[in-house]
Amino acid sequence: QQQVKQSPQSLIVQKGGISIINCAYENTAFDYFPWYQQFPGKGPALLIAIRPDVSEKKEGRFTISFNKSAKQFSLHIMDSQPGDSATYFCAAGETSYDKVIFGPGTSLSVIP
Amino acid sequence: NAGVTQTPKFQVLKTGQSMTLQCAQDMNHEYMSWYRQDPGMGLRLIHYSVGAGITDQGEVPNGYNVSRSTTEDFPLRLLSAAPSQTSVYFCASSGGGPIYEQYFGPGTRLTVT
Repeated sequence: QQQVKQSPQSLIVQKGGISIINCAYENTAFDYFPWYQQFPGKGPALLIAIRPDVSEKKEGRFTISFNKSAKQFSLHIMDSQPGDSATYFCAAGETSYDKVIFGPGTSLSVIP
Repeated sequence: NAGVTQTPKFQVLKTGQSMTLQCAQDMNHEYMSWYRQDPGMGLRLIHYSVGAGITDQGEVPNGYNVSRSTTEDFPLRLLSAAPSQTSVYFCASSGGGPIYEQYFGPGTRLTVT
């Protein structure tokens, strides 16, 4: 019930295209859903996060869509750029629980 | 402001050896955590601490020990290294707990032969 599923495992997108990564969770007590971005050889860094009181959050080219009833959330990267090539992790956490659970990651390659 | 620092960057151990991975942060964060990253497994929580003197287990704590004597430092000890502990280890800290932004260190790549 603590698991966070993420798909696809890898993704290749043309420059200028839209990258979409999907995640699903089971635990309805989760109330915090961050996305982390990791470049090769570096530690992950927070990209964007959402709480379940909103259905969408946008920061620049990055948008999180959240579907509470389906227990799913997704990351959309508009106008994808080669510099977006990285591994993306979704995660889920619960306010009263001192942990977040990470998905297995998606390796994104944006080709020119 | 160095953020979260980890040493060493790389380490090779023989089975049965012990070692300590160092982690320090200069942001006065109360929450610190250790994760291991393995291909296709994401980041799995090993141990975490909500403040000096307080530690708790995460998802995969077996074979690891931690202590938190100061706010700044959170070392991870491998008691008797096993090949299954070959991984990349990340330390992270957060000012408000894991449900707020966690700042990750650069990682330690550990190989156990």
